[in-house]
Amino acid sequence: DGGITQSPKYLFRKEGQNVTLSCEQNLNHDAMYWYRQDPGQGLRLIYYSQIVNDFQKGDIAEGYSVSREKKESFPLTVTSAQKNPTAFYLCASSISGANYEQYFGPGTRLTVT
Amino acid sequence: GEDVEQSLFLSVREGDSSVINCTYTDSSSTYLYWYKQEPGAGLQLLTYIFSNMDMKQDQRLTVLLNKKDKHLSLRIADTQTGDSAIYFCAESIISGAGSYQLTFGKGTKLSVIP
Repeated sequence: DGGITQSPKYLFRKEGQNVTLSCEQNLNHDAMYWYRQDPGQGLRLIYYSQIVNDFQKGDIAEGYSVSREKKESFPLTVTSAQKNPTAFYLCASSISGANYEQYFGPGTRLTVT
Repeated sequence: GEDVEQSLFLSVREGDSSVINCTYTDSSSTYLYWYKQEPGAGLQLLTYIFSNMDMKQDQRLTVLLNKKDKHLSLRIADTQTGDSAIYFCAESIISGAGSYQLTFGKGTKLSVIP
């Protein structure tokens, strides 16, 4: 079964701690994306990667970091520098190099207290 | 800059048609998409339209594109309670790095009344 998995579904952390969200895909897609969703705000792009070992900042990259060591994996670290980390985080992937639709994972809800 | 706008709420009776509207600003958009999000879940692609088309029909879904006015709509015929969800309009634009990115609207929450 091909798809995108994100784990865990729910994540709780104390303020000041870094936390890493997992995203794995077996669709053989080159491009992967991280979005943040807040109520009434739609989706905002955090980081994206078109190819292994390369990634670009999106619109709201401050306080986040990513890595792309493998084609299948694109983990997102929410650092303590992110001022409002509580949100729903969505990972997506697509075929790179052309205008193809993005496929989304089920999301991780992060709560920081 | 890019901006995609949608109304936030729509309420319809079961069996009626739903029309969700969207406006976008980037005239260089090549594809426009409609995604559906059920509570606590990721986004599911419903349909898309290429910018040189006026209309696309797919079973109960009809997408209309007015490129001159930069207006996109999604019509759902015979709306069912299972259609209750948030619907996102998205436009595909080419970034400064030469890759395609999606810009999303804030989503329209469709409530279907039995």
